Amino acid sequence: GAVVSQHPSWVICKSGTSVKIECRSLDFQATTMFWYRQFPKQSLMLMATSNEGSKATYEQGVEKDKFLINHASLTLSTLTVTSAHPEDSSFYICSARDGSVSSYNEQFFGPGTRLTVL
Amino acid sequence: AQRVTQPEKLLSVFKGAPVELKCNYSYSGSPELFWYVQYSRQRLQLLLRHISRESIKGFTADLNKGETSFHLKKPFAQEEDSAMYYCALGGDSNYQLIWGAGTKLIIKP
Repeated sequence: GAVVSQHPSWVICKSGTSVKIECRSLDFQATTMFWYRQFPKQSLMLMATSNEGSKATYEQGVEKDKFLINHASLTLSTLTVTSAHPEDSSFYICSARDGSVSSYNEQFFGPGTRLTVL
Repeated sequence: AQRVTQPEKLLSVFKGAPVELKCNYSYSGSPELFWYVQYSRQRLQLLLRHISRESIKGFTADLNKGETSFHLKKPFAQEEDSAMYYCALGGDSNYQLIWGAGTKLIIKP
């Protein structure tokens, strides 16, 4: 089955530093990847959608300069949280869509990254 | 507007009892609906998609366009069914999914 990995699985950083989270599709080509944020006991909040080779589309209220997304290849997307602050502490989840299946909107999820900003 | 509503934040039933997790949607076109499940400390995974009309782990979900619903059902709940369940709708834009708020299902022994 389609597998998506995320790295790191957890990270602790100091306020003001930047953190990069990687999302990889291991056995399929992900033409579209999604980045979500999940707050405790809440649903997923879509942050942005990225298509390989083009700029990410950010949801309303998500600062594109703070959450930099790069989708440079069909198997890798990165999310960089720049100048992180404690309020950025959250669980970040990526998902990917298999580009070879044209009709489905099914997304395959990574295990998530727990970010704690001190 | 595209929207998914899961009215129950928490559903608690006894083992062996029937389970129904409700999902209603709002969508003007032909909907594509999914149920995703998140077991404790595991990643989100697809449970069902309406287009497949399949039964996974004893769960079924039928799309009712008249009632704009896609309720998830299982006749006899098992303890391992305890998890968070999310209903999702394939949106118009860039393969995005519109997510419900999720229902936490607890199966009591």
